[in-house]
Amino acid sequence: GQNIDQPTEMTATEGAIVQINCTYQTSGFNGLFWYQQHAGEAPTFLSYNVLDGLEEKGRFSSFLSRSKGYSYLLLKELQMKDSASYLCAVRDSNYQLIWGAGTKLIIKP
Amino acid sequence: IAGITQAPTSQILAAGRRMTLRCTQDMRHNAMYWYRQDLGLGLRLIHYSNTAGTTGKGEVPDGYSVSRANTDDFPLTLASAVPSQTSVYFCASSEGDNTEAFFGQGTRLTVV
Repeated sequence: GQNIDQPTEMTATEGAIVQINCTYQTSGFNGLFWYQQHAGEAPTFLSYNVLDGLEEKGRFSSFLSRSKGYSYLLLKELQMKDSASYLCAVRDSNYQLIWGAGTKLIIKP
Repeated sequence: IAGITQAPTSQILAAGRRMTLRCTQDMRHNAMYWYRQDLGLGLRLIHYSNTAGTTGKGEVPDGYSVSRANTDDFPLTLASAVPSQTSVYFCASSEGDNTEAFFGQGTRLTVV
């Protein structure tokens, strides 16, 4: 079966750095997405990786290793507004998105 | 503001009733999707459409149907609602296979 694993919940301090990991086992791979979802709201796109390596976008970076079936989302200079769930999704060989359950990130002052 | 709109935003529905959730996008995206999101689970694909006139079944299609008569609209119908269909439903669209999906604000449905 297809599976995306993420930690259920993480806590970090305002101003710090946090890394959210995602491991996947899917039938084929056509890209990995990270989305942010605030409570009661829709997911919004953060990043897309299809090749190995690091993609940097402001305070957020995403890393992919296809051989290890692994990605992480790195958030720097954490702000209170970063408190949200972070969803990892992989596009499989049929170009369907397989979603992880999400990681709830709690930021403390 | 361009985007994707869902209606209603929330609904309480009696079991056995028929219900259509509406979804409209004005971005001229070819692909559209319906997901349900339940606590502790990832988004699960119900149905999708790669282009107007075509639809396909996702991971959890039973009890749901869709149509795609034109590019903009992608309604989801529950023929006879059951309590297990209580969930938050998200409609999404994307330009292509390797582009990000844009989500509607969601419909919170409670079947009693």
